[in-house]
Amino acid sequence: VQVVESGGGLVKPGGSLRLSCSASGFTSRDYHMTWVRQAPGQGLEFVSTMINGGASFYYAASVGGRFTLSVDDAENSIHLQMNSLRGEDTAMYYCARPVFSNQAGRSGFDVWGQGTMVTVSS
Amino acid sequence: QSALTQPRSVSGSPGQSVTLSCTGTSTDVGGYDYVSWYQQIPGKAPRLLIFDLTQRPSGVPDRFSGSKSGDTASLTISGLQVEDEADYYCCSYSGIRPFDIFGTGTKVTVL
Repeated sequence: VQVVESGGGLVKPGGSLRLSCSASGFTSRDYHMTWVRQAPGQGLEFVSTMINGGASFYYAASVGGRFTLSVDDAENSIHLQMNSLRGEDTAMYYCARPVFSNQAGRSGFDVWGQGTMVTVSS
Repeated sequence: QSALTQPRSVSGSPGQSVTLSCTGTSTDVGGYDYVSWYQQIPGKAPRLLIFDLTQRPSGVPDRFSGSKSGDTASLTISGLQVEDEADYYCCSYSGIRPFDIFGTGTKVTVL
């Protein structure tokens, strides 16, 4: 059971990136898969999550309207489309799987990827 | 609320016990037992230590334990070991957006 992130890189302010989180050993749509980010030297921050098999998506206020989460069943992956990027979006982006599948609550995240770094700079 | 409040640093000698606090509000820590704790070695991904306030995943030593009183959750590390030196983050489900609120993080130093 693991997740592997990809798609990070250096992008100019106002630019776009698409992050991917490829799951193995489980079906990503069965879990409320979540993106968490960590700016350099800072703490962890919730970014986005999907609920109920992708029926609903939620975003932190800081990224709402700019980021879009989607599910790709064919690749057993989730994707985070990031538009209108800002300097404050510079961070390591982690994909995380909750402890329980399709749980109403949020028990915690037991599977994390190694992260993919996003740097927004001119 | 943007982040749960954790002390910036905590230190202890090998074999001692240390307790890390995580303070929120009635809409997150105080309102639910959906509190989790993570250990992060610099440059590495977070590792789950505690979920559902008190539960340990398989492979996590029983030296790590979780509890809560009111709006404050706590992680106790008993019998502190050198390899416990790391950053520790709490996380709580929030009844309001966003879904998950993380703590500010505590750096544990083993003297």
